[in-house]
Amino acid sequence: NAGVTQTPKFQVLKTGQSMTLQCAQDMNHNSMYWYRQDPGMGLRLIYYSASEGTTDKGEVPNGYNVSRLNKREFSLRLESAAPSQTSVYFCASSGIQITAFGQPQHFGDGTRLSIL
Amino acid sequence: DQQVKQNSPSLSVQEGRISILNCDYTNSMFDYFLWYKKYPAEGPTFLISISSIKDKNEDGRFTVFLNKSAKHLSLHIVPSQPGDSAVYFCAASQGGYDGSGNTGKLIFGQGTTLQVKP
Repeated sequence: NAGVTQTPKFQVLKTGQSMTLQCAQDMNHNSMYWYRQDPGMGLRLIYYSASEGTTDKGEVPNGYNVSRLNKREFSLRLESAAPSQTSVYFCASSGIQITAFGQPQHFGDGTRLSIL
Repeated sequence: DQQVKQNSPSLSVQEGRISILNCDYTNSMFDYFLWYKKYPAEGPTFLISISSIKDKNEDGRFTVFLNKSAKHLSLHIVPSQPGDSAVYFCAASQGGYDGSGNTGKLIFGQGTTLQVKP
């Protein structure tokens, strides 16, 4: 039972390079999310997809793009990486978007991204 | 503007004693609150939650208390065990639509690192 799988686990990029982070879930969840975690900042929402075919900006979307490829997969793309995007990136999924209905988000183990 | 705050970056307690982790929020529209636990090199895992219609929810050694008038919630772990050593995040969500775009999103605090000493 894999849950939420993120690839790669680690990556080092040079400034200006592009990269796509992959995320897949096997729980038949409708909603998927991308967060970044920085020291002292908690987790901040980058983009989310409430359901297949829709995507919306979160708190810190600048410099990122996303694609909800199908119900299982949600990718995050950095078009031109900057040192400020050095972070740990987490993908998550939930049954429905409205967490108040008792559907906690399930997280992957993260991608550690360093941009030199 | 940090809507969810965990003002204690770290907490150290002795095994067997109570651990109390605190969280404050500013948005009165939040109606669902969650605690996540995170070990190094792993993703956060859901621990316990509480709806705003309750003031307490208990699950084994873990109890979450909600004080809506003070906009404050706390997580109690009794008794604390060395395996509880981790980073704990509180998170808040609103189910109602108010045009702010916040509906359904989780807003996280900065996290508190708990160390339980044997």
